[in-house]
Amino acid sequence: DGGITQSPKYLFRKEGQNVTLSCEQNLNHDAMYWYRQDPGQGLRLIYYSQIVNDFQKGDIAEGYSVSREKKESFPLTVTSAQKNPTAFYLCASSIISQGRNEQFFGPGTRLTVL
Amino acid sequence: GEDVEQSLFLSVREGDSSVINCTYTDSSSTYLYWYKQEPGAGLQLLTYIFSNMDMKQDQRLTVLLNKKDKHLSLRIADTQTGDSAIYFCAGGGSYNTDKLIFGTGTRLQVFP
Repeated sequence: DGGITQSPKYLFRKEGQNVTLSCEQNLNHDAMYWYRQDPGQGLRLIYYSQIVNDFQKGDIAEGYSVSREKKESFPLTVTSAQKNPTAFYLCASSIISQGRNEQFFGPGTRLTVL
Repeated sequence: GEDVEQSLFLSVREGDSSVINCTYTDSSSTYLYWYKQEPGAGLQLLTYIFSNMDMKQDQRLTVLLNKKDKHLSLRIADTQTGDSAIYFCAGGGSYNTDKLIFGTGTRLQVFP
């Protein structure tokens, strides 16, 4: 089955630690995205990538880093520099064609800082 | 920059119609989307509308687009308890179709 997977579903981190969230897709999509969701605030874009080995900052990139070494994978690292990392993180992928950008989402990772 | 606004809550009785509204500022969006999010899950694409259309119907879902007023709505006919979720509208950013701008989401609660 084609789709997007994220792991782990729940993640706990101590303050001062870096953690990496996994996102994999087998939809052959070129573009991938990371969003952060906080209660009542909708989705905020962290980073996105349109092609392998290239990525751009979104609206709230500070304290996060990404890599795009393979088309299928777009891991997100939450660094110790992120002051308030507890949130629900969503990964998405899409094919961008003629103005269409239908994004397909993974199930999300809930990160809690202890 | 682009801004997309939605009301936060909507409560309807089972069997009634639900109408979820969205306003946006960027008229250059080529497509506008509606997503559904159930508790603890990712977003699921429900439907979309091309910007030169006024209406699109897909089974129980009807999307209305008023470009002049920059207003988008999603009507759910015969609302069921399984429709209880958060609904997001989204549009492409200005001259930039590689990003979507999402609204804050409307929480729909369906009661029997």
